[in-house]
Amino acid sequence: QQQVKQSPQSLIVQKGGISIINCAYENTAFDYFPWYQQFPGKGPALLIAIRPDVSEKKEGRFTISFNKSAKQFSLHIMDSQPGDSATYFCAASFIMAQFYFGTGTSLTVIP
Amino acid sequence: KAGVTQTPRYLIKTRGQQVTLSCSPISGHRSVSWYQQTPGQGLQFLFEYFSETQRNKGNFPGRFSGRQFSNSRSEMNVSTLELGDSALYLCASSRTSGSGETQYFGPGTRLLVL
Repeated sequence: QQQVKQSPQSLIVQKGGISIINCAYENTAFDYFPWYQQFPGKGPALLIAIRPDVSEKKEGRFTISFNKSAKQFSLHIMDSQPGDSATYFCAASFIMAQFYFGTGTSLTVIP
Repeated sequence: KAGVTQTPRYLIKTRGQQVTLSCSPISGHRSVSWYQQTPGQGLQFLFEYFSETQRNKGNFPGRFSGRQFSNSRSEMNVSTLELGDSALYLCASSRTSGSGETQYFGPGTRLLVL
């Protein structure tokens, strides 16, 4: 059973556009929601993370929007650049360091 | 500070064999987690070790096992390999064990089972 569902599977965005990736979760005990960025041949790297007590967190061009009642959270990449082309994973965890990951979104930013 | 290192980076085995993968966490990190990454399933949690003790385990068969040494280095072992075990195996380390701790991933070991 996939605890965290991620969509879309792939995304193509023009340079300068907004990339939006969505995730939904079931377990209301989750209390930490990170997003990871992965380039080919590399391990995932933490991009930005949020706790459920805030509805939005922004770091540079990256924003997480969190909707606790809907059990959904999303990643917005503003002014998308070709260098943002990568696979993005959302994740969720609680208590112990057991993270549940989404299945990933392959983002391609066209120059 | 050096990142998480994993060895070997690539491995080819045949069905029925066993394999051992190694992970050296970031200096000072005491928690090591292992994940299996496949195109269809994404990252699946295998287990987590903290101070040489397995703290948490995912839904994988007993053929998958691990251990952690006193210097926090960790090994993962897969016995009786199956074709479906072909995947990228990722190791991640964090300072402590707990939700909210940033996990730093290594580059992974790509295992191909023939």
